[in-house]
Amino acid sequence: QKEVEQNSGPLSVPEGAIASLNCTYSDRVSQSFFWYRQYSGKSPELIMSIYSNGDKEDGRFTAQLNKASQYVSLLIRDSQPSDSATYLCAVLKRANSKLTFGKGITLSVRP
Amino acid sequence: SAVISQKPSRDICQRGTSLTIQCQVDSQVTMMFWYRQQPGQSLTLIATANQGSEATYESGFVIDKFPISRPNLTFSTLTVSNMSPEDSSIYLCSVDRDVDEQFFGPGTRLTVL
Repeated sequence: QKEVEQNSGPLSVPEGAIASLNCTYSDRVSQSFFWYRQYSGKSPELIMSIYSNGDKEDGRFTAQLNKASQYVSLLIRDSQPSDSATYLCAVLKRANSKLTFGKGITLSVRP
Repeated sequence: SAVISQKPSRDICQRGTSLTIQCQVDSQVTMMFWYRQQPGQSLTLIATANQGSEATYESGFVIDKFPISRPNLTFSTLTVSNMSPEDSSIYLCSVDRDVDEQFFGPGTRLTVL
């Protein structure tokens, strides 16, 4: 089982819709969880971090964490064409500061 | 976040040569990391660059192939040695500022012929 798994993509949604991105992780010791956005040809950009169970909202983005199910998700409301990018889920073990990434999912928002 | 720069931004190199990539941060940071992103793939951690001591390498990466320096709290270098086409990747440095959050530099796109 891979340490961090994301749904295989690509994911296509119409403009204005909610995009739902999912991620599971295998190591219960993982303590911090992140979503990065990566535009083609660019480096990853941190868009959300979440550390405790529940929801965390920031503008149109909501991160959800369920440690019992080892599941973290990212919801993008009112999706815009500018949201079209690859989204990477990452988990961190604080003991060694090691960040492990999922393969990423490519989101396409259709105008 | 932090302002992170990398040099060079891209390079095309011949097989068997070496390339040193520089990473500069605008303020002191405790943790600096080097990642590789192969074409169409996600990020893989190469090593943690430790200030004043040898880097900590992940499984599958060795110092002879990827020597790393960290002379101070704002600068690090990664050398890709004796390159082969399989080393063609994007190499990224990242820094850990606060609360475990890591921020990435713009990356170095390396092509080995």
